[in-house]
Amino acid sequence: DAGITQSPRHKVTETGTPVTLRCHQTENHRYMYWYRQDPGHGLRLIHYSYGVKDTDKGEVSDGYSVSRSKTEDFLLTLESATSSQTSVYFCAISEFERNTEAFFGQGTRLTVV
Amino acid sequence: AQSVTQLDSQVPVFEEAPVELRCNYSSSVSVYLFWYVQYPNQGLQLLLKYLSGSTLVESINGFEAEFNKSQTSFHLRKPSVHISDTAEYFCAVSKSGGSNYKLTFGKGTLLTVNP
Repeated sequence: DAGITQSPRHKVTETGTPVTLRCHQTENHRYMYWYRQDPGHGLRLIHYSYGVKDTDKGEVSDGYSVSRSKTEDFLLTLESATSSQTSVYFCAISEFERNTEAFFGQGTRLTVV
Repeated sequence: AQSVTQLDSQVPVFEEAPVELRCNYSSSVSVYLFWYVQYPNQGLQLLLKYLSGSTLVESINGFEAEFNKSQTSFHLRKPSVHISDTAEYFCAVSKSGGSNYKLTFGKGTLLTVNP
């Protein structure tokens, strides 16, 4: 299995609180992605990174920010959590220039109450 | 911009029957294409991929997909399914070549194999 660790794996938080999810990789892959998975919507891209300090928005980026200060870590922050952000969040890594596919973490189940 | 359309949200089939899960994509540039599978309460695993070369790609467990550039499709097929194939299947696309790769997924197809 690719070395991807998401933390925490489960979290319950209150509306209005900030939340940070962490994705850590040991594969030295250049690209890292954050997705959310919701029934009927599949996986929707929140933000992605194509290098240290290089990030871009995906299709559902409102209410989320990211940071990548080193290759191995990609942080997703919910500035002020809302109930609509209750979801399962997946991190993925890839190295497309070397013709590899994307590898996924096990997911973080976030509940905002 | 790129996008993926999976035409069926649910596909119920009987064991040992053939199945086709349909995927169409939209992109203004050349693409890489992927099928991922997600078993209940698990993450996503790569099933097969098209990067270049032969347009017919196969997985180790009997699935195959064919890249059709003219129809912008990448349908997934299996001639005889098993109960254990019950899962959700996701088609994904990324541009090929260059840099700044964004990986876009379809909404998924839930394959249910019944005895």
